[in-house]
Amino acid sequence: QSALTQPASVSGSPGQSITISCTGTSSDVGGYNYVSWYQQHPGKAPKLMIYDVSNRPSGVSNRFSGSKSGNTASLTISGLQAEDEADYYCSSYTSSSTLNVFGTGTKVTVL
Amino acid sequence: EVQLVQSGAEVKKPGESLKISCKGSGYSFTSYWIGWVRQMPGKGLEWMGIIYPGDSDTRYSPSFQGQVTISADKSISTAYLQWSSLKASDTAMYYCARVLDGVSGYWGQGTLVTVSS
Repeated sequence: QSALTQPASVSGSPGQSITISCTGTSSDVGGYNYVSWYQQHPGKAPKLMIYDVSNRPSGVSNRFSGSKSGNTASLTISGLQAEDEADYYCSSYTSSSTLNVFGTGTKVTVL
Repeated sequence: EVQLVQSGAEVKKPGESLKISCKGSGYSFTSYWIGWVRQMPGKGLEWMGIIYPGDSDTRYSPSFQGQVTISADKSISTAYLQWSSLKASDTAMYYCARVLDGVSGYWGQGTLVTVSS
C-alpha cells in the first residue's frame, strides 16, 4: 500500500502555530477515524502524540491537536517551542492491508 | 511500567542470518499485538508486520512477506524478527512497538542492523 502524503518540511517561529497535513484516500484516512501521529527526535524512537484523529495520550501537551476533513488529517502545534523540532509521522488504518500505513514524514523546524 | 527492551546493535555480512529480539514487561504480553517497524538511514517509518503473542497470529506487509520471519515466545514475553540471508539493503534501524487497535503507544529503543562486506 502507498504511504500517506505529508509535506517534507514545515517551519515556524517560537510561539507560532503550524499545521502538518496527511493526505490519503477513502480507503484509509477518509474512511476511518483511526489516524494517529508520532513525533521522532533524531536518534530516538517514535512517540505517540495523537490517536483516533484527535485524542491525546496522557502526558502529551495540549499544544498538540489533531483533526480530519475528508481524506486529509492534520496535526496542529500551537505555541511552537524549540523542543517541538522533530520529525512527525501520521499513521492510518487501511482497508487494503491488515497493517496500518505511515505517512511520508514531515520535518518541523523552529526558526 | 510498560517497557519494550530490544537486543543490541548487530554488524553482519551479506548472506548471514540474524534474529533480533524485543522483550516486553509491565503488561500482559499475550494480550497485545507487537509490531516491527523499519527505518532505513535518513528515511521514514515502514510497518513490516505484527504478531499476536497470545495465539501467534502473524501478518506481514506485502513488501516484507517472504523476506523476514516474525515470531514470539510467550513464555519469556519476547518477540523476534529474523532474516535467513541478509542483504546490504537490510541495513536499518528496527523498532518494535506494542499495538492496540492500530495505535502504537509503546516502543522499543530500536536495534541498529548493519550489513556490510
